Amino acid sequence: EDQVTQSPEALRLQEGESSSLNCSYTVSGLRGLFWYRQDPGKGPEFLFTLYSAGEEKEKERLKATLTKKESFLHITAPKPEDSATYLCAVQQSGGSYIPTFGRGTSLIVHP
Amino acid sequence: KAGVTQTPRYLIKTRGQQVTLSCSPISGHRSVSWYQQTPGQGLQFLFEYFSETQRNKGNFPGRFSGRQFSNSRSEMNVSTLELGDSALYLCASSLTPDATNEKLFFGSGTQLSVL
Repeated sequence: EDQVTQSPEALRLQEGESSSLNCSYTVSGLRGLFWYRQDPGKGPEFLFTLYSAGEEKEKERLKATLTKKESFLHITAPKPEDSATYLCAVQQSGGSYIPTFGRGTSLIVHP
Repeated sequence: KAGVTQTPRYLIKTRGQQVTLSCSPISGHRSVSWYQQTPGQGLQFLFEYFSETQRNKGNFPGRFSGRQFSNSRSEMNVSTLELGDSALYLCASSLTPDATNEKLFFGSGTQLSVL
């Protein structure tokens, strides 16, 4: 059973069309939840870390939020350069600090 | 500051061969982790090294091994390659991986194709 599930698997948006990506997790205790962006042919690049329910972080058109069971990555008025795969990773408290990654959401923004 | 460097960028091997991949972490980073990325399984953790010691290991067969040198550079080796080993192999470095807010810095990966 996956501990980290991301949805949708793929998302196509028109430029300017806002939407949200979801990351749900089932670990018993959360140490940290990470969002990464991965461009084709490159490794993931860090975006945000969230630690507790209610926390929010923003960067340009991206805003990440966290509840006790899931995180959302909101994309406001996206541009074609926001096209990438967005990965969520969860670090469990009390156990190994190695993060578990979701399978990602592939986002394509059409001009 | 130079990022994480992985070599080679691309590799083509045949079944039964072995392969060695190299990773140079960001200067000052002592932890190196290796991940396998495939379209079907996503990012799967292989192992993590810190100060030349393997501290964590994922659920992969013994054909997958690694090591870390005193300068923190790391290598991973896959012996007796199988078709299913075709994947993007990513290396990530971090300063103190067990810190609460520690993020990973990834290289661009080595794309391995097994024919």
